[in-house]
Amino acid sequence: DIQMTQSPSSLSASVGDRVTITCRASQGIRNDLGWYQQKPGKAPKGLIYATSSLQSGVPSRFSGSGSGTEFTLTISSLQPEDSATYYCLQHNSYPLTFGGGTKVELK
Amino acid sequence: QVQLQESDPGLVKPSQTLSLTCSVSGGSISTGGYYWTWIRQHPGKGLEWIGYFYYTGSTYYNPSLKSRVIISVDTSKNEFSLKLSSVTAADTAVYYCVRDSRRGLFDYWGQGTLVTVSS
Repeated sequence: DIQMTQSPSSLSASVGDRVTITCRASQGIRNDLGWYQQKPGKAPKGLIYATSSLQSGVPSRFSGSGSGTEFTLTISSLQPEDSATYYCLQHNSYPLTFGGGTKVELK
Repeated sequence: QVQLQESDPGLVKPSQTLSLTCSVSGGSISTGGYYWTWIRQHPGKGLEWIGYFYYTGSTYYNPSLKSRVIISVDTSKNEFSLKLSSVTAADTAVYYCVRDSRRGLFDYWGQGTLVTVSS
């Protein structure tokens, strides 16, 4: 299985801050990486597919980059509604595997 | 608008079989191209992909669960199901049914159902 490692596991930032989350794969996955946002008690919501393609309805302040084994999710200007846990997902090979999550809190 | 809704088995006893159904509305489960998927989340933990049933009839299961898992589809009821046998407390989790439209593009999720394994 491909192991996905996210960092940091948590962070605290202010409204308007630029936030970056990193995800590393245990082996190369080309650009087969997605990002999901989960709020407490809710199902995850898709943000990004294939490293940088925004899913429908996702605000443009979210962006993704990377390739191979290292990927980033960037929130260009953090908003109150962005407080959530973020997971990366490799969709290069089965079984699909998620990162451990990054909890984003507002200061 | 596609909607998915999991059944609610609640409590399952150890060694028994966990059975979940996902009802799909707003679209036909027979429509080609979708992977009908189950994902679970242990309490306070991350997400674990369980497996899928593809519209062609093929399935793929997480090797960590493969010997205990069956995912099937009932087109007459527009629903798909998960059966997980020989459960233990380690199978206590929130189970989500999900439509995967392009291997890892999870575009519709059920609300999730908490299944507790306990005697």
